[in-house]
Amino acid sequence: GAVVSQHPSWVICKSGTSVKIECRSLDFQATTMFWYRQFPKQSLMLMATSNEGSKATYEQGVEKDKFLINHASLTLSTLTVTSAHPEDSSFYICSASLDRVGYEQYFGPGTRLTVT
Amino acid sequence: AQRVTQPEKLLSVFKGAPVELKCNYSYSGSPELFWYVQYSRQRLQLLLRHISRESIKGFTADLNKGETSFHLKKPFAQEEDSAMYYCALRVRGGSNYKLTFGKGTLLTVNP
Repeated sequence: GAVVSQHPSWVICKSGTSVKIECRSLDFQATTMFWYRQFPKQSLMLMATSNEGSKATYEQGVEKDKFLINHASLTLSTLTVTSAHPEDSSFYICSASLDRVGYEQYFGPGTRLTVT
Repeated sequence: AQRVTQPEKLLSVFKGAPVELKCNYSYSGSPELFWYVQYSRQRLQLLLRHISRESIKGFTADLNKGETSFHLKKPFAQEEDSAMYYCALRVRGGSNYKLTFGKGTLLTVNP
């Protein structure tokens, strides 16, 4: 149980375009979802927390207008990287929690974004 | 602000040897610590939580508040233990809990 999927697993886009990454909880309702970014050989850095039905809470230093997060249903959260640049190339990982405060997190497999 | 430090990026041992992956934390409150593991091409998964004081796959970790450490240990490493290990600290930030991860240690167990 508590399976989280991400789509796509790998995406390549051109500089200046936008790309959307989906995070789904397959067998449970995720009240809270988290988005992380992982640079090569580095740690996961929390980007934002989203609660279903409300606006996402972004971590300090993360541009809200660049990384748009939508958590419209209890099983789906999306991260849209707008006007992507090569420096946005990274591994993006989501996690989902059954509870509203994110006490227990279940991780997705990640999405590798390459911006050319 | 909280911080998690894993001083070793890489750790290589032989099968059957003991292994210890170090983790130190910095947090002013009462810490909740975890070890996560990521096997090759797989997702991050929870290995251990300090509050459970359990042994999973032969691994144990003890929280030492005096030394602010939460080292992961296994007496006899196996080849299948080769993976990336992350130490994480969970804190309450605003209305949500948040995980702060260390940079990870890549463990390689050689035959």
